[in-house]
Amino acid sequence: AQSVTQLGSHVSVSEGALVLLRCNYSSSVPPYLFWYVQYPNQGLQLLLKYTTGATLVKGINGFEAEFKKSETSFHLTKPSAHMSDAAEYFCAVNPQKSSGDKLTFGTGTRLAVRP
Amino acid sequence: GAGVSQSPRYKVAKRGQDVALRCDPISGHVSLFWYQQALGQGPEFLTYFQNEAQLDKSGLPSDRFFAERPEGSVSTLKIQRTQQEDSAVYLCASSLVRAELSTEAFFGQGTRLTVV
Repeated sequence: AQSVTQLGSHVSVSEGALVLLRCNYSSSVPPYLFWYVQYPNQGLQLLLKYTTGATLVKGINGFEAEFKKSETSFHLTKPSAHMSDAAEYFCAVNPQKSSGDKLTFGTGTRLAVRP
Repeated sequence: GAGVSQSPRYKVAKRGQDVALRCDPISGHVSLFWYQQALGQGPEFLTYFQNEAQLDKSGLPSDRFFAERPEGSVSTLKIQRTQQEDSAVYLCASSLVRAELSTEAFFGQGTRLTVV
């Protein structure tokens, strides 16, 4: 079965500091990979996704993630944290690479940003 | 509407009561998903529709859970004889099937179900 591991259920950074949220997946073949953000009492919003092509993917709000096949990782980064980035972040995989296939989510990382 | 709409946003049910949760997907979206998100956890897949056909219901936790999408648009998730362990946020998502293999699912705000 496919799985997603997010290291660190809580991450705290200072405003302006680097954000690094870790995600590793287990899959026999590289799946499609996603990062979603969830603000309080809101649904999930897609930040970015990797399907094929360039392994460095840029998303909304200044976030980016790099797919590293050798490390089975898809870590999310942002050079400079903003207070508005405080939210919960979920990494997800679509192992079958087919439109309509279910997503398998990690348990989430809650990001806090200190002033 | 412009996004996925779910109703009600909040539902409190007494244990043993039946509940029905509604999802209005984005117009024209063929695929529709239901996920269950327990407190402090990531969403977990429940079931998937392509148009009116329920193609995957492997995530439904028991036969008390039933989902339908009779006309290929609005979907309803029904939970019979609710139990406390059913307390969670139920998320609906829809996606537009494309010829190229690229999935983006758009999520609704969810329905928070509390069983007391």
